[in-house]
Amino acid sequence: QKEVEQNSGPLSVPEGAIASLNCTYSDRGSQSFFWYRQYSGKSPELIMSIYSNGDKEDGRFTAQLNKASQYVSLLIRDSQPSDSATYLCAACPGGGNKLTFGTGTQLKVEL
Amino acid sequence: DTEVTQTPKHLVMGMTNKKSLKCEQHMGHRAMYWYKQKAKKPPELMFVYSYEKLSINESVPSRFSPECPNSSLLNLHLHALQPEDSALYLCASSQASSLGYEQFFGPGTRLTVL
Repeated sequence: QKEVEQNSGPLSVPEGAIASLNCTYSDRGSQSFFWYRQYSGKSPELIMSIYSNGDKEDGRFTAQLNKASQYVSLLIRDSQPSDSATYLCAACPGGGNKLTFGTGTQLKVEL
Repeated sequence: DTEVTQTPKHLVMGMTNKKSLKCEQHMGHRAMYWYKQKAKKPPELMFVYSYEKLSINESVPSRFSPECPNSSLLNLHLHALQPEDSALYLCASSQASSLGYEQFFGPGTRLTVL
């Protein structure tokens, strides 16, 4: 069973802090990795994609990929209450279009 | 423009009804997806259309029938559903590229089966 694992949380951080969300995957053939944000009652929104080892930054978001350790993370700097949501990690095997989702981590940013 | 639209937003149907969910994208994507999502669970893949042909059916019961009339439209026909089919139904689309299959989701249809 090819899996993506995330801590379900909730992860609570104070406003202005760095939130660190982590994800591991079992399929070494996975080539593409995605982070989605999902507010309660809404659909998932793609916020980051990463394909190569290392860091990728976009505004307050940084995605990190370590293929040797089969580990993906998302850092959110200067966390805001509006960042409170469930964050879904997803992996895609090379050449395929089927995403494997983790169960999601609930993030709560407290005032 | 990364917009996928879905209609209706909400749907309530009885177990003997026939209804359809609709999805549209104008991003030129050639892959379209149907997902089902239950509360506090990740999206669960149902069907994938690639170049308007059904490429993946995740052993979905026949009471769900997908249709892809053209490259921009995707329908999900519903018939004789069960109360446990109540969920958020999500449509997504993607374009194969060297960057991988970034999937963009529509807002979803909240389905309640009575």
